[in-house]
Amino acid sequence: QLQLQESGPGLVKPSETLSLTCTVSGGSISSSTYYWGWIRQPPGKGLEWIASIYYSGSTYHNPSLKSRVTISVDTSKNQFSLKLSSVTAADTAVYYCARHVRSNDYFDYWGQGTLVSVSS
Amino acid sequence: QSALTQPASVSGSPGQSITISCTGTSSDVGSYNLVSWYQQHPGKAPKVMIYEGSKRPSGVSNRFSGSKSGNTASLTISGLQAEDEADYYCCSYAGSSTWVFGGGTKLTVL
Repeated sequence: QLQLQESGPGLVKPSETLSLTCTVSGGSISSSTYYWGWIRQPPGKGLEWIASIYYSGSTYHNPSLKSRVTISVDTSKNQFSLKLSSVTAADTAVYYCARHVRSNDYFDYWGQGTLVSVSS
Repeated sequence: QSALTQPASVSGSPGQSITISCTGTSSDVGSYNLVSWYQQHPGKAPKVMIYEGSKRPSGVSNRFSGSKSGNTASLTISGLQAEDEADYYCCSYAGSSTWVFGGGTKLTVL
């Protein structure tokens, strides 16, 4: 059974960089069938797609966040990562990592999510 | 890239049917048959219920169905059950390798 697990600091100071890693177990991140993505959800609000990555390193970004987002993949560790720079309180959210089926275009497996708060 | 538009809330009684709309533009919903729907219970990760507009993943009840007309996609839940009470989100491919979610709809089973 595929599992995704987010990890990283739960508290980040304003203007600093948020860093999260998603560890994939039960399957290979190097499959040509999937992208790997990050989605966030501010408290009490809706979902927002942040970025996705292919195992080869090709990246795809939400235009509204692109200037602050770096997404990367480490196939040797079966992990992919997110960095969001210059964070503000508006970046406080539950961050999910998810597997994205390329051919059918949907997110089929999700991590449990991790809450990241931005506060001094 | 603006969020897709969903009603904030819908409600229905057990056994009834409800429909949740998801309105986009000719750049996303209207141009691609790539709308997916997600169910999210409080404190849980989203779960896909419909993909490619009308297809159900294995294990999803056939009480859930999807359709599309023009720039609006719809999710219909028939035979409402208490366990269907949750938040529902649509998501569409928006071109140029980008994706956009709807604002979410809270379903209340009366």
